[in-house]
Amino acid sequence: GDSVTQMEGPVTLSEEAFLTINCTYTATGYPSLFWYVQYPGEGLQLLLKATKADDKGSNKGFEATYRKETTSFHLEKGSVQVSDSAVYFCALLISNFGNEKLTFGTGTRLTIIP
Amino acid sequence: DAGVIQSPRHEVTEMGQEVTLRCKPISGHDYLFWYRQTMMRGLELLIYFNNNVPIDDSGMPEDRFSAKMPNASFSTLKIQPSEPRDSAVYFCASSRDSNQPQHFGDGTRLSIL
Repeated sequence: GDSVTQMEGPVTLSEEAFLTINCTYTATGYPSLFWYVQYPGEGLQLLLKATKADDKGSNKGFEATYRKETTSFHLEKGSVQVSDSAVYFCALLISNFGNEKLTFGTGTRLTIIP
Repeated sequence: DAGVIQSPRHEVTEMGQEVTLRCKPISGHDYLFWYRQTMMRGLELLIYFNNNVPIDDSGMPEDRFSAKMPNASFSTLKIQPSEPRDSAVYFCASSRDSNQPQHFGDGTRLSIL
């Protein structure tokens, strides 16, 4: 079945450090890929997405490139801020009628220290 | 635009009581999803609807759980009778169609004593 494997957390970085959170997937078709972010006490928010191979999603300084050859969608940011502290979820979607479900990774908790 | 609205934000009740969680999806969204989030099991999809019709309820843990969507602007998730192991944060999400991202509500934090 479809699955997403995320980098285990928690991850702790200093402010302005470079961030990478790894995500790889297994899918039977051609998925769309997403990164969601969950701030404390809130629901998940879409951070960025990519719908086909070689697409790059970007938002708020975060980027992720859909790599079909390595089945990966790693999240990166060049200089993190304290406000980036949150839990990050990688997810995939293969839309077939009767199977329009997001498959989520387990989440990676990120803490940025000043 | 208003996002997905869930109520209540917090619910504390004793085991054996009936619990009803409510969700108002974003207007115009045809898909509605109910999730449960716990530390142990992460984020689990319980059930989802398309145009008010349940499509997949395979994630509903047992018969104590039921969900309805009587119209396009309202859905409920009911637990009867509730048990302590049902304690979790329950999220509702909606999307315009199957290819569009899901928008999540802020969740209901449920504690069963």
